[in-house]
Amino acid sequence: NAGVTQTPKFRVLKTGQSMTLLCAQDMNHEYMYWYRQDPGMGLRLIHYSVGEGTTAKGEVPDGYNVSRLKKQNFLLGLESAAPSQTSVYFCASSYERGLDTEAFFGQGTRLTVV
Amino acid sequence: SQQGEEDPQALSIQEGENATMNCSYKTSINNLQWYRQNSGRGLVHLILIRSNEREKHSGRLRVTLDTSKKSSSLLITASRAADTASYFCATGANSGYSTLTFGKGTMLLVSP
Repeated sequence: NAGVTQTPKFRVLKTGQSMTLLCAQDMNHEYMYWYRQDPGMGLRLIHYSVGEGTTAKGEVPDGYNVSRLKKQNFLLGLESAAPSQTSVYFCASSYERGLDTEAFFGQGTRLTVV
Repeated sequence: SQQGEEDPQALSIQEGENATMNCSYKTSINNLQWYRQNSGRGLVHLILIRSNEREKHSGRLRVTLDTSKKSSSLLITASRAADTASYFCATGANSGYSTLTFGKGTMLLVSP
């Protein structure tokens, strides 16, 4: 049982380049989330989804887009990467809304924008 | 904005000692969760305590919740080197995003 899988694990981008981070979960969870983790800042919610075909903005959505075309996948896109987007990105999923149940996290994607 | 704040930011103890971490939050919550993050890894759920519960146990973990003081504590008894990790509290409220909001974490170092 793989749980939550993030692809890629590491990436270096040049300023202005674009990329897509893929999150896949095999637990049939309705809810999926993208967080970023920066030193001294904890985890901050970027976007989330409450079901297939839905997305919503979190605390720090600017510069990111997301899509949830299939229930098991949640994609995070950076259209024009900036150095401020250097961070570790975590995807998570939960069966019910995150308030009421545990969330399962992926191993993270370490992104550096130069 | 972050809801929970852990205290202390860092804690260093010897194996066998108990470790206590605290979490304070600002607004009313439905429940509070604690997560562990080993260096370079994702977060792992430890325990969930609901707003109508005062104490909960799971193995060597004991969590308390005081809604009147808007605070929670995580106690790890008889610590082991393998407990070395960062610990985060996460709160949820019906307002806002209806998702978990994480604190900045407590970094625990358990020395052999």
